[in-house]
Amino acid sequence: NAGVTQTPKFQVLKTGQSMTLQCAQDMNHEYMSWYRQDPGMGLRLIHYSVGAGITDQGEVPNGYNVSRSTTEDFPLRLLSAAPSQTSVYFCASSYQAGGERTDTQYFGPGTRLTVL
Amino acid sequence: GDSVTQMEGPVTLSEEAFLTINCTYTATGYPSLFWYVQYPGEGLQLLLKATKADDKGSNKGFEATYRKETTSFHLEKGSVQVSDSAVYFCALSGGSYIPTFGRGTSLIVHP
Repeated sequence: NAGVTQTPKFQVLKTGQSMTLQCAQDMNHEYMSWYRQDPGMGLRLIHYSVGAGITDQGEVPNGYNVSRSTTEDFPLRLLSAAPSQTSVYFCASSYQAGGERTDTQYFGPGTRLTVL
Repeated sequence: GDSVTQMEGPVTLSEEAFLTINCTYTATGYPSLFWYVQYPGEGLQLLLKATKADDKGSNKGFEATYRKETTSFHLEKGSVQVSDSAVYFCALSGGSYIPTFGRGTSLIVHP
């Protein structure tokens, strides 16, 4: 299993550009999520999905869109990049442990994004 | 709502020293508790977990015990190595799809 993969690993954008961060998992996990990590801020949830066709907003969704057309893929779209979106982005997947509880989160290696 | 509080870092130790990183939580019901580790330039990975009260999770010499009476899940290691230098995150998974993470504690181990 490749686990959770993310592309690209590094990206530099200019203000106003758009791009898509790719995330894929091969573990047949129902639950997928996107986080951003900034110094001193820990992890902040951007969007999450509990299954194909179902997405919801997290703590900091503004400026980002997601879709989940398949179980495997969960791309994150930056609509119009801003310097405040300079961050490290992590995708994670998990299976449900029962009810709405999720079990171990499996993280990708991250995408380091700089917006100039 | 659910919350996780862990000690602020950085924690700086000499090699072979004893490590404790405190973690306390607030949650309704009976959450599962986790410690994740993030090595420089990498994503988070599971270090250990415990799913019910009094369970002890252990891995790579690290241990943590699920203490419901004190709502704690402190991470310990008897003798740290330089290779343990990383950021450690305490987390819980309760009654929703969204796990709750602490803000992370940076550990620096000097030779």
